[in-house]
Amino acid sequence: DQQVKQNSPSLSVQEGRISILNCDYTNSMFDYFLWYKKYPAEGPTFLISISSIKDKNEDGRFTVFLNKSAKHLSLHIVPSQPGDSAVYFCAALTAGNKLTFGGGTRVLVKP
Amino acid sequence: DGGITQSPKYLFRKEGQNVTLSCEQNLNHDAMYWYRQDPGQGLRLIYYSQIVNDFQKGDIAEGYSVSREKKESFPLTVTSAQKNPTAFYLCASSLLAGGPLRATDTQYFGPGTRLTVL
Repeated sequence: DQQVKQNSPSLSVQEGRISILNCDYTNSMFDYFLWYKKYPAEGPTFLISISSIKDKNEDGRFTVFLNKSAKHLSLHIVPSQPGDSAVYFCAALTAGNKLTFGGGTRVLVKP
Repeated sequence: DGGITQSPKYLFRKEGQNVTLSCEQNLNHDAMYWYRQDPGQGLRLIYYSQIVNDFQKGDIAEGYSVSREKKESFPLTVTSAQKNPTAFYLCASSLLAGGPLRATDTQYFGPGTRLTVL
C-alpha cells in the first residue's frame, strides 16, 4: 500500500515556463516532507522541504506548497531550465526518521 | 571534503554469491540507511541504523544483512537468498535531532552502486 504517491510519471515543459509536480499522501501522521532531485546513475540530492506547520516554503526558483486537509503537496519550479531535467521524488518523514518515497516524476525541460 | 562515498560504482556477481556494498560517511551523522531503486520506481528502504551496533529492518530486508561497527561505516551484504538482487543501491545518512527541529533529519545520499547479477 503506497503511502506516498506521485501520479504523474512524467512531465514535459518548455524552458522558462512553470513546472508543477504533485504528490499525495495517505498518512495524516506525516509531519515533514522533502523533495529530492535525481539524475540517472547518481544519488538523489535534497532540494527543498516543508514542515506540516507551514503551507509554503520557498527557495529561489523552487517553492513547495502543502495542503494538509487534502493531504497534498506540490513543487513549483519557475522558471524551468534545461538543467532541471531529472526525476523528482517526493518523500515523507515517518517515525524512526525513515523516509517513504513516492514513485517519482520525470521532468523534461525543452529548450 | 565531507560526504558519503559508495564503492564500487558498478558491481557484477554470479548468481548464488554473496556480495558486500560499501558505504562510508565523514559527516559525523548518527543515522545511516540503505535503499534500493528499481527501474521506473521509487526508493525502498532495506535497513537503517540510528546508532552504532544497532540497526532495524526496513520494508524489504529479506535477503540482505548489515552491520554498524563504526559510526562512519554501514556495509550492506546482498546474500544469495535475495531473489532479485539486480538493482541500484543507495546509501544515505542523517543527523538525528531527536526533537522538533526536523530540518536536521534530512537524509543525504551517496552516488549509488549498480549491482548486476549474471
